[in-house]
Amino acid sequence: AQRVTQPEKLLSVFKGAPVELKCNYSYSGSPELFWYVQYSRQRLQLLLRHISRESIKGFTADLNKGETSFHLKKPFAQEEDSAMYYCALRARFGAGTRLTVKP
Amino acid sequence: SAVISQKPSRDICQRGTSLTIQCQVDSQVTMMFWYRQQPGQSLTLIATANQGSEATYESGFVIDKFPISRPNLTFSTLTVSNMSPEDSSIYLCSVATGNLEQYFGPGTRLTVT
Repeated sequence: AQRVTQPEKLLSVFKGAPVELKCNYSYSGSPELFWYVQYSRQRLQLLLRHISRESIKGFTADLNKGETSFHLKKPFAQEEDSAMYYCALRARFGAGTRLTVKP
Repeated sequence: SAVISQKPSRDICQRGTSLTIQCQVDSQVTMMFWYRQQPGQSLTLIATANQGSEATYESGFVIDKFPISRPNLTFSTLTVSNMSPEDSSIYLCSVATGNLEQYFGPGTRLTVT
C-alpha cells in the first residue's frame, strides 16, 4: 500500500533559523515523491520533485530510501515561507505541515 | 505547466440534489485527478480520470456517488450526487505530466445545507 506520513501538523520557527519538514513514505516500488506548497489564498503548487534534485526558493529535499524519507529542508527560513506544505507519493498526499516563520 | 480552471468556484446546494463541477485545461493532458479537501484536512484522492478509459476510483468512493466524465484531453466533470452535509468540501481537479508532477485548479467550494 502507498502511504505518506507527515508527523508534524504545525511547525514554527524564527526567521533565519533552519527548517526541516519531515516526510516518510511506504511504497514497495520505486517512489515518485513531491513536495507541494499552498500559500495563503493561492492554489496548491509544485515545489520540488525528487528526481530533479534541484533547489527551489532555497528548499531542498533528498530521497533516503534506507529511511524511506523525503524531508524538506531550508537553511535559513524567511517569513514568506509561511504556508502549508504537503508531501506526496505519486498522487497521494500526506496530512500536511503548516509552517509559520516568525519575525 | 498547465493552466486549469474550474466551474463553479463555489456553490451552496440543498441536501439530496446533485452538482456537476467542470475542469478545463489549456493544453492536452492524459492524466487528470479529482480530489476532495475537507475543512482542515489534506487532499484525498477521489479518482483518476484518464481520457479513453473509465475513471479509477479510490477506496471509499463509488461511481454512483461521484460520476466522472472525461470526453477529451482538455476537459472533465465530476458530479457529486445526492448530496448530504458531509459532502461539504473543496473539490480540486489536477492534471499530471508524464513524471506525475501535478498542476491544480483553484478548487470548487461546496456547501450542502
